[in-house]
Amino acid sequence: AQSVAQPEDQVNVAEGNPLTVKCTYSVSGNPYLFWYVQYPNRGLQFLLKYITGDNLVKGSYGFEAEFNKSQTSFHLKKPSALVSDSALYFCAVDSSYKLIFGSGTRLLVRP
Amino acid sequence: EAGVAQSPRYKIIEKRQSVAFWCNPISGHATLYWYQQILGQGPKLLIQFQNNGVVDDSQLPKDRFSAERLKGVDSTLKIQPAKLEDSAVYLCASSLGTSGAFTDTQYFGPGTRLTVL
Repeated sequence: AQSVAQPEDQVNVAEGNPLTVKCTYSVSGNPYLFWYVQYPNRGLQFLLKYITGDNLVKGSYGFEAEFNKSQTSFHLKKPSALVSDSALYFCAVDSSYKLIFGSGTRLLVRP
Repeated sequence: EAGVAQSPRYKIIEKRQSVAFWCNPISGHATLYWYQQILGQGPKLLIQFQNNGVVDDSQLPKDRFSAERLKGVDSTLKIQPAKLEDSAVYLCASSLGTSGAFTDTQYFGPGTRLTVL
């Protein structure tokens, strides 16, 4: 079965430092991978997606993600974290036209 | 461009009562989704519509949940009767795609937080 795993419940970083939020996937066939962010009391917002092509995908708010086929990973990254990046981040995979979400990683950026 | 609208934002009911949630997708979006997000988990798809037809309702508990999208625009999700385990945030999303493929970006509403006592 198709699935994604987010191994960290929470990631803590200092403002200005680089951040990484990890995601690994398990799919048969070509993976279509997504990152969404959820702010308190708001719906999910699309950040970026990998369909095909360049392994480094750039998205909204300065985020990017690196697709690594050999490691079956799709980690979310940002070179310099902002306090306003603090939120809940979800990785997702397209599975037979359904989005399967990971359990989420809470990112806390301290000033 | 207006986003996906949902109402109510919050609802508290007692078990065995009924409840309904409403969603208005982004104008022109053919595909509409309802998700259930239980605290501490990622959203889980309940049902997907393309225009006014159901594409996938395999994870909808049909003994108590129902959904409709009359006229291919607004949608209503109903729970009757509610159970304690239905406490969750119910998210509506829409996408432009007419093929139903998930390569189309989904846009989410703010959600309805349901508490069943």
